[in-house]
Amino acid sequence: GESVGLHLPTLSVQEGDNSIINCAYSNSASDYFIWYKQESGKGPQFIIDIRSNMDKRQGQRVTVLLNKTVKHLSLQIAATQPGDSAVYFCAENNPPGANSKLTFGKGITLSVRP
Amino acid sequence: EAGVAQSPRYKIIEKRQSVAFWCNPISGHATLYWYQQILGQGPKLLIQFQNNGVVDDSQLPKDRFSAERLKGVDSTLKIQPAKLEDSAVYLCASSLGVGQETQYFGPGTRLLVL
Repeated sequence: GESVGLHLPTLSVQEGDNSIINCAYSNSASDYFIWYKQESGKGPQFIIDIRSNMDKRQGQRVTVLLNKTVKHLSLQIAATQPGDSAVYFCAENNPPGANSKLTFGKGITLSVRP
Repeated sequence: EAGVAQSPRYKIIEKRQSVAFWCNPISGHATLYWYQQILGQGPKLLIQFQNNGVVDDSQLPKDRFSAERLKGVDSTLKIQPAKLEDSAVYLCASSLGVGQETQYFGPGTRLLVL
């Protein structure tokens, strides 16, 4: 079946370094992708999204890259801060249209070392 | 702008009891979603409403779970009777429409079934 997956369960980075979180998706019909951040005891928080007609989108300290050839999505966080420590989920939207829904991956924990 | 509101935040019940969760979406958002998030996993869609109509309830265990959104705004999700495996966080999300629309999540209700 189709699925969204993450390559690594945990990522530990030094404060101030850049973080890269990777995600693989298998549904070539997915037309929209979102990265969410979830802190302990809270609901997922929208970080950044990208549509399938783009390959890069930048936000404040975050960049999402989409490689449709290999069905790969990544989230880059510049100058990682302690407040970035959380679980990160990628989600894909499919099929396109009124009946589309988000499918979430399992999540990766980002731990920022002071 | 107020976010998605959910109540209660926590609930502990015994198996075979019933429980209900409430959600108030962001004002003006036509689409409302209920997700189940088991510890260590990404959210899984249970049901999606467009205004007061059900768009997708394919993953809702209909023998015990029910949901309604009678006036196209607030929604309730009910479990009757609860099982041990229903212990999870129940997240409500809303979006302006469907498809390539960002979903905004509430804080969730943490359910523990003993």
